[in-house]
Amino acid sequence: EPEVTQTPSHQVTQMGQEVILRCVPISNHLYFYWYRQILGQKVEFLVSFYNNEISEKSEIFDDQFSVERPDGSNFTLKIRSTKLEDSAMYFCASSEGGTKETQYFGPGTRLLVL
Amino acid sequence: QKEVEQNSGPLSVPEGAIASLNCTYSDRVSQSFFWYRQYSGKSPELIMSIYSNGDKEDGRFTAQLNKASQYVSLLIRDSQPSDSATYLCAVIFSNGQNFVFGPGTRLSVLP
Repeated sequence: EPEVTQTPSHQVTQMGQEVILRCVPISNHLYFYWYRQILGQKVEFLVSFYNNEISEKSEIFDDQFSVERPDGSNFTLKIRSTKLEDSAMYFCASSEGGTKETQYFGPGTRLLVL
Repeated sequence: QKEVEQNSGPLSVPEGAIASLNCTYSDRVSQSFFWYRQYSGKSPELIMSIYSNGDKEDGRFTAQLNKASQYVSLLIRDSQPSDSATYLCAVIFSNGQNFVFGPGTRLSVLP
């Protein structure tokens, strides 16, 4: 069964460093998403991406964040200058369509900023 | 303001019982509702979606939607210890594409 994959599974970085989290969505899906979950808190939406551009973003997704689809399969989230409060689990998700479609989640990348 | 509310639990039920999980949301015209299960340290996995008022059954799971009351629930019949997890309610609000998640209800099924 097709699934969303994410790399790395864990990443430890120093505050102020740049990190890139990678995702491979399900191959026939057109919509891609990033969510994050701080330990013990709820899953929060960051950004959605369709047709090679951001379609929606939350207040969390400020100028230090960016997303890219560098080729036909990968979807990346870059955090330019990490802060302690960026420590969280980051989930990538994809869906075939938009508004009514089920989103399928990857296993997540646990990011720890020291 | 887009809000999805759930009782945080923990909700404890004995094995074989029915577990009832509830969710309310803030936007009357929202159309898409989802239940996900999340084991500790893992990603959300889909249980089922529901779009129309009424009940939708899938195996041991039944989702119930009442748009007038802005309420969606999940019933788990014949609960098993393996059902012990956090259950997340997710809503796509009328003016967006992304999920707004509730805080989740932690379910514990006791053998």
